[in-house]
Amino acid sequence: DSGVTQTPKHLITATGQRVTLRCSPRSGDLSVYWYQQSLDQGLQFLIQYYNGEERAKGNILERFSAQQFPDLHSELNLSSLELGDSALYFCASSVAGGPGGTDTQYFGPGTRLTVL
Amino acid sequence: AQKVTQAQTEISVVEKEDVTLDCVYETRDTTYYLFWYKQPPSGELVFLIRRNSFDEQNEISGRYSWNFQKSTSSFNFTITASQVVDSAVYFCALSEYSGGGADGLTFGKGTHLIIQP
Repeated sequence: DSGVTQTPKHLITATGQRVTLRCSPRSGDLSVYWYQQSLDQGLQFLIQYYNGEERAKGNILERFSAQQFPDLHSELNLSSLELGDSALYFCASSVAGGPGGTDTQYFGPGTRLTVL
Repeated sequence: AQKVTQAQTEISVVEKEDVTLDCVYETRDTTYYLFWYKQPPSGELVFLIRRNSFDEQNEISGRYSWNFQKSTSSFNFTITASQVVDSAVYFCALSEYSGGGADGLTFGKGTHLIIQP
């Protein structure tokens, strides 16, 4: 158990809908990262938040957004869902989030999203 | 741009055999970090090791060992006396010290390791 929690474990929804994925980092960690794992794209970095502020963006679609709250939990919002958004979404956390990803990222169990 | 290549898509060995998973990376930075993660059938990503670019010492942890060679841009992972519980997908990942750039990890495509009893 990494100490990172994600809810829900599974989510099934329809195209065009909007969903919210939630992540609680390990106790003491200030950085939260979101990743998408799909069969065709593999594991891709989406976005990072550090102590409430957006710090880095990866291959995140404009239909996706995230935020980190004062208690450091984070939410990933996915809207106007398409079939291709079906994937496993991971949240990771690290102690700080200094430049260059110097900290080890510990991953949550993931949320499996199925878009029908 | 950074890139991680895991050329072995799938490896199947019989229990107790030794197996090496290859990882080759590309980066323009002189400071970077390399990682290995394990993804068992249950789906979670489990951290195994982190190594920075200035530390080329090989590391051993029980049956696991890692060989980092900057000259060939490789960070290979060896499991000695493999066990069925080692069956998983193993990912190699890279993070560059880009001084303010994205801190996300760049992952390889993964190697699916099957240990047969």
